[in-house]
Amino acid sequence: NAGVTQTPKFRILKIGQSMTLQCTQDMNHNYMYWYRQDPGMGLKLIYYSVGAGITDKGEVPNGYNVSRSTTEDFPLRLELAAPSQTSVYFCASSYGRTGDGYNSPLHFGNGTRLTVT
Amino acid sequence: GENVEQHPSTLSVQEGDSAVIKCTYSDSASNYFPWYKQELGKRPQLIIDIRSNVGEKKDQRIAVTLNKTAKHFSLHITETQPEDSAVYFCAASTGPGTYKYIFGTGTRLKVLA
Repeated sequence: NAGVTQTPKFRILKIGQSMTLQCTQDMNHNYMYWYRQDPGMGLKLIYYSVGAGITDKGEVPNGYNVSRSTTEDFPLRLELAAPSQTSVYFCASSYGRTGDGYNSPLHFGNGTRLTVT
Repeated sequence: GENVEQHPSTLSVQEGDSAVIKCTYSDSASNYFPWYKQELGKRPQLIIDIRSNVGEKKDQRIAVTLNKTAKHFSLHITETQPEDSAVYFCAASTGPGTYKYIFGTGTRLKVLA
């Protein structure tokens, strides 16, 4: 298994540009997440999904959009890039068992380092 | 809203000594508490986790304790080694069935040889 794969690894955007960060997992996990990590800081949840067709906002969703058309893929869209979105973005997935509240560990991708200038 | 506080933000110990990192959570419905280690430029990786029906869990030199009444949990690393140097994050689930995790702000551990 490749686990969680993120592309690209690095990207530089100009203010106002748009881009999509790609994330795919081959572990058949139903839950997927996007976190951002600012330098020297913790992980903030942007959006998450509990299954295909279902997404929900996290702590810092403004300026981002997501979609989940398949179990494997969970892309993150930045529409109008701003310097405040300069960060490292991590996609993660986990196995979830619906109905009994069972939580399981997050498996992270290698991250995308985004700079907006 | 839900919050996880983590202390200390930095910790330096001599090789062979023990290190303790503490976290406090706010959501009384949280039932799952993982700890992640992040080396410089790398992704966070799970090192140990604990569920709310257990008070302590141990894996070789690493242990985690949970006090549900006080809503805090701690990571203990014994016989520290230079390769333990990294940033450690605690996290708490936001309640049964929500499948979200709130992270602490991290502790930078330096093990001095």
